[in-house]
Amino acid sequence: KAGVTQTPRYLIKTRGQQVTLSCSPISGHRSVSWYQQTPGQGLQFLFEYFSETQRNKGNFPGRFSGRQFSNSRSEMNVSTLELGDSALYLCASSLWMEGNSPLHFGNGTRLTVT
Amino acid sequence: AQSVAQPEDQVNVAEGNPLTVKCTYSVSGNPYLFWYVQYPNRGLQFLLKYITGDNLVKGSYGFEAEFNKSQTSFHLKKPSALVSDSALYFCAVRGGSQGNLIFGKGTKLSVKP
Repeated sequence: KAGVTQTPRYLIKTRGQQVTLSCSPISGHRSVSWYQQTPGQGLQFLFEYFSETQRNKGNFPGRFSGRQFSNSRSEMNVSTLELGDSALYLCASSLWMEGNSPLHFGNGTRLTVT
Repeated sequence: AQSVAQPEDQVNVAEGNPLTVKCTYSVSGNPYLFWYVQYPNRGLQFLLKYITGDNLVKGSYGFEAEFNKSQTSFHLKKPSALVSDSALYFCAVRGGSQGNLIFGKGTKLSVKP
């Protein structure tokens, strides 16, 4: 079974631009979560989607948004990029939203904002 | 609010020796606890979880973790470390069945031959 796929692996953008990251979950998984990983802040939760609905949201500004499609694939968008948005963005999928379902992570998208 | 603490930024162990990576948590309600490992330029890989039942949980690659409710701890252990275990280890907690997963800052494990 294929794992979680994130595209692209690397991105370089300029301040003020916007970016869209894509995530394809493991086949059959209906929940998709997004995390931002930086050396200083560690792993921070962005949002979680289940059945095309945002179920949980972290403490990030409105510039960060996401969506989930009917095939469970998900995208996240960051508008008006800032230098501080440079990070590894990780997507994870799980079978359900239930607490005992472990997350399965993709290898991430490394975003660099210059 | 739920939180996870990994008090050690780095743990150094000689190959063949036992290892422990510490984790304490704070949640309201029953905790769902997880350990993940991350290798360079990769995503996180699930190692093991505690939901309920036996306090000693066994996971992948010979790792195990001990849940201690009174000390609110969930330490990761392995009887005999391998050089290939060198990686970044994350403890995570979910408070209740619907909350999002909160991660600790991570502990870098270095196993020397």
